Amino acid sequence: DQQVKQNSPSLSVQEGRISILNCDYTNSMFDYFLWYKKYPAEGPTFLISISSIKDKNEDGRFTVFLNKSAKHLSLHIVPSQPGDSAVYFCAAWALNSGNTPLVFGKGTRLSVIA
Amino acid sequence: GAVVSQHPSRVICKSGTSVKIECRSLDFQATTMFWYRQFPKQSLMLMATSNEGSKATYEQGVEKDKFLINHASLTLSTLTVTSAHPEDSSFYICSASVSGYSGPQHFGDGTRLSIL
Repeated sequence: DQQVKQNSPSLSVQEGRISILNCDYTNSMFDYFLWYKKYPAEGPTFLISISSIKDKNEDGRFTVFLNKSAKHLSLHIVPSQPGDSAVYFCAAWALNSGNTPLVFGKGTRLSVIA
Repeated sequence: GAVVSQHPSRVICKSGTSVKIECRSLDFQATTMFWYRQFPKQSLMLMATSNEGSKATYEQGVEKDKFLINHASLTLSTLTVTSAHPEDSSFYICSASVSGYSGPQHFGDGTRLSIL
């Protein structure tokens, strides 16, 4: 049973437009969420995170929205750039529940077309 | 800062060979290191957590005698895939944390293991 789901395996967006990547989770103990970006042949790189006490966190072109009642979060990239083309992983953490590991989604491959 | 180096990046070897993968934190001391495995089009799956100076904690379904983990120092953890078989072929990634589970994880670039 997958606790973190990224239902879109891929997404194509025109350069300059908004990219929206979605993530759903099932475990109500998750209280911290992270987005990682991964280029081919490289490890994931931390992008942005959000605590469950917030519903929005913004960092430059990247904004993460959290809807706790729907157990849904999304990553918005505005404006999208060709260099944003990568696989994006959503990860969830039960941070306040003791020693628990990150749980990752399967990832969404974003292609930004020039 | 917070660089994690993983070596080798790619291994191709014969079935039955044992393969060692190293994970080093270059500019910080990692009390906890994590080993993940990723199959194509799948998520990163945690295999085990290693804390410096103690035995690794393996996730359910991961054979500890197959995947030997050693975290001998605050900057080095190794994963040895013993007597590797073709089904062990996968992408293995390590990550390191300064403050255990509560700290952010910094990832290595991964090791592509191919067993012929």
